[in-house]
Amino acid sequence: DQQVKQNSPSLSVQEGRISILNCDYTNSMFDYFLWYKKYPAEGPTFLISISSIKDKNEDGRFTVFLNKSAKHLSLHIVPSQPGDSAVYFCAARDRDNYGQNFVFGPGTRLSVLP
Amino acid sequence: DAMVIQNPRYQVTQFGKPVTLSCSQTLNHNVMYWYQQKSSQAPKLLFHYYDKDFNNEADTPDNFQSRRPNTSFCFLDIRSPGLGDAAMYLCATSRDTGLYTDTQYFGPGTRLTVL
Repeated sequence: DQQVKQNSPSLSVQEGRISILNCDYTNSMFDYFLWYKKYPAEGPTFLISISSIKDKNEDGRFTVFLNKSAKHLSLHIVPSQPGDSAVYFCAARDRDNYGQNFVFGPGTRLSVLP
Repeated sequence: DAMVIQNPRYQVTQFGKPVTLSCSQTLNHNVMYWYQQKSSQAPKLLFHYYDKDFNNEADTPDNFQSRRPNTSFCFLDIRSPGLGDAAMYLCATSRDTGLYTDTQYFGPGTRLTVL
């Protein structure tokens, strides 16, 4: 049972346009959400995050939006660049007695076309 | 200036032959994680160490064991690899003080092939 879902396995966008990657979750106890970017042959690298008490966080070309009532978050990349082509993972943090645990979605492969 | 290092990057083993993957970190983070990632799937948490405390996920097979001899190092032991264990194994670290919100830092992964 996937707690974090990314329903689009892939997305293609023209350079300069907006890329929108979506993520849905089922666990209302998640308190922190992250996006990671992964290039081939490398581990995921942190991109941007948002706390559950916020609905928007912006960092340069990257903005994450959180809709708690819909259990949905999205990552916007504007403008998209060819170097943004990668797999993007959505992750959510679940705190329990053992500390923090991160649950990942299956990823969306973004291709930015020149 | 590597922060989370995994060795080897590629590992080939035979069916049933024990294998050990290693991870080291220079970040002095108190939490270390091992994930298994199969093609086009989400990284799946196998277990994590919160300082010296070992936390196993409920569905992690007994075939997978881990050791953390000190803060910097963590090992993943697969006692009897099966064909289904072929995957990318990712090590990650994070700092968790209970108050501070931090992200995870991943190593480049070890791709395991089982023949």
